[in-house]
Amino acid sequence: QQKVQQSPESLIVPEGAMTSLNCTFSDSASQYFAWYRQHSGKAPKALMSIFSNGEKEEGRFTIHLNKASLHFSLHIRDSQPSDSALYLCAVTEGADRLTFGKGTQLIIQP
Amino acid sequence: EAAVTQSPRNKVAVTGGKVTLSCNQTNNHNNMYWYRQDTGHGLRLIHYSYGAGSTEKGDIPDGYKASRPSQENFSLILELATPSQTSVYFCASGDRGVSYAEQFFGPGTRLTVL
Repeated sequence: QQKVQQSPESLIVPEGAMTSLNCTFSDSASQYFAWYRQHSGKAPKALMSIFSNGEKEEGRFTIHLNKASLHFSLHIRDSQPSDSALYLCAVTEGADRLTFGKGTQLIIQP
Repeated sequence: EAAVTQSPRNKVAVTGGKVTLSCNQTNNHNNMYWYRQDTGHGLRLIHYSYGAGSTEKGDIPDGYKASRPSQENFSLILELATPSQTSVYFCASGDRGVSYAEQFFGPGTRLTVL
């Protein structure tokens, strides 16, 4: 069974700084790696995903994947108070299931 | 935009009572999922379905049943609710295959069992 772990559990970052979130997984055969963002009281929503080793950038957000290290990360450049949320990483288990990490609670301090 | 709705949004139930949570999606997705979210546990998969008439057990199925009567609707049933089932429940939909692995979530149902 896929095991997914996130670090840190919580993080406080000053506005304008870089935020880095980490996720490790156990099954090297996984094919889809994603970050979901959940604002307080709202539904989780997919933020970014990646299928192959390397890096993908969308605006202020960058996702890195290293399958050999069983690790992927999310980096947020110029962090904004609106980025404050619970961030969940997700990895496929088989073709149709996702296993989620427990989440990192991010607070961006103005 | 994908659309997943849930009802009710809030529910208070008594221990031993029957609770049904409903989910509807208009995305024409094959797959639907029920998760619960508790502080410190993230999202945990209860049941999922590949299409009308199918239900599969997730990671924490004990005490829950699921029903998928149509492509659009997926229900989660607690036959004998217990206080340990107090949680926020999310329904999600998604398409088949890794290339379409993104899941779209409903707004959630907050269930309190007294």
